Amino acid sequence: GQNIDQPTEMTATEGAIVQINCTYQTSGFNGLFWYQQHAGEAPTFLSYNVLDGLEEKGRFSSFLSRSKGYSYLLLKELQMKDSASYLCAVNTGFQKLVFGTGTRLLVSP
Amino acid sequence: DTGVSQNPRHKITKRGQNVTFRCDPISEHNRLYWYRQTLGQGPEFLTYFQNEAQLEKSRLLSDRFSAERPKGSFSTLEIQRTEQGDSAMYLCASSLEGDFSNQPQHFGDGTRLSIL
Repeated sequence: GQNIDQPTEMTATEGAIVQINCTYQTSGFNGLFWYQQHAGEAPTFLSYNVLDGLEEKGRFSSFLSRSKGYSYLLLKELQMKDSASYLCAVNTGFQKLVFGTGTRLLVSP
Repeated sequence: DTGVSQNPRHKITKRGQNVTFRCDPISEHNRLYWYRQTLGQGPEFLTYFQNEAQLEKSRLLSDRFSAERPKGSFSTLEIQRTEQGDSAMYLCASSLEGDFSNQPQHFGDGTRLSIL
C-alpha cells in the first residue's frame, strides 16, 4: 500500500520560518515532490528530492532522508501570499505521483 | 501563457448524464496525466498517457471512465452515467519525457464537476 502523512494544518506569523513534515511508506520510490496549491488553483511545483540531503531554492528548502522515509519543506521569511496548501507527493516509479492529503498553512500578520 | 489548459472550468450536471472534459497540455510535453481531487485531499492518480498511448490506468477508475489522447496532443476524459460520488475537481498535468527528476508535472487549473 501507499501511505503519505502530513499535518493537516499549520499556522505561522509573517516573517517567521515554518517546517512542514512529510513521512511516507510506498511500494516504490523514485523521488519526492513538493507542490503549493492556493484554493481553487492548480498545484504548482516547488521542489524535488531524489537523493538524501537539502535542496535550497530561494526562500524554500526541501530535505529528504530515504532511510527514514521522511521529508520536510522549509519556508523562510514567510509572506501572506504563502498561505496555501502544501502537497507532498512521491513518485512510486510508475510515472504517477502519490500525494499526501496536504498541509494547509495559514500565515497571519 | 503556455501552461496546461482545461475546459470547462466548472460543469454542473444531473446524475446519470455523461460529461466530457478537455485538457490541452504544454505543447512540447509528450506525457499527460489525469488526477481527481476532492475537498481536503491531495490529487489521486487516474490515468497516464505517453504520446497517444494510455500506459496506465488506476484500478480505482471504474468502467464508466474513459480517456483518450488521439493525436498525442490534447486529451479528453469522459464520465458516463455520472454518480454523486463523481463530484470532484479533475486535474490534468503534463510533463516532458526523460529523467523524471528534471521533468516535474505541470498542472492545469482543473475542471470542477458538480453532480446534482
